[in-house]
Amino acid sequence: NAGVMQNPRHLVRRRGQEARLRCSPMKGHSHVYWYRQLPEEGLKFMVYLQKENIIDESGMPKERFSAEFPKEGPSILRIQQVVRGDSAAYFCASSPPTTGYSGANVLTFGAGSRLTVL
Amino acid sequence: DQQVKQNSPSLSVQEGRISILNCDYTNSMFDYFLWYKKYPAEGPTFLISISSIKDKNEDGRFTVFLNKSAKHLSLHIVPSQPGDSAVYFCAASFPEYGNKLVFGAGTILRVKS
Repeated sequence: NAGVMQNPRHLVRRRGQEARLRCSPMKGHSHVYWYRQLPEEGLKFMVYLQKENIIDESGMPKERFSAEFPKEGPSILRIQQVVRGDSAAYFCASSPPTTGYSGANVLTFGAGSRLTVL
Repeated sequence: DQQVKQNSPSLSVQEGRISILNCDYTNSMFDYFLWYKKYPAEGPTFLISISSIKDKNEDGRFTVFLNKSAKHLSLHIVPSQPGDSAVYFCAASFPEYGNKLVFGAGTILRVKS
């Protein structure tokens, strides 16, 4: 499967625990985006990363959330000390290197990771 | 602050008829608009897009119309098929943030056979 791979698909955590969500981009894609979908809402941009570099994290909550995309391995979205409000579907998308404004239609999304905080 | 709004949570259409999904936006700086389709347990998949310099874009059974003065766009599916049943998201982007999309809340389309 050459698509965007996310795991785990479902994750249950108790309040105060840590959640780690992983995303492997499509082959040949070097840009990764994380979006969050709360119940009854649309997807909301969180962070945009290239290998070893955070390009835009304007959508990330100021505390407890962090993201990385190391030189080797998947991108990881980390949520520390989870609270019930963190329960959501987290989608990762990837794109090839942009060579200019592309109109945003090159994003390929993964199937998402659904986080439930008890 | 909802900059992209899809006011109809759901829509039900008979197979073979036209489906019209609507989307309104508030920020006149958006310059590109997209529609994504999402099946349960899957990620959104790109369907069709339109640049703000155009008022119509067509791809097979799917046509997107853009009315900039009204800050409104719509997706027409003709003829609708049962396989079109999914959640449809409208999204918009700013010129300098091409892939930082702003999504609407989605409309559930059910096509009845």
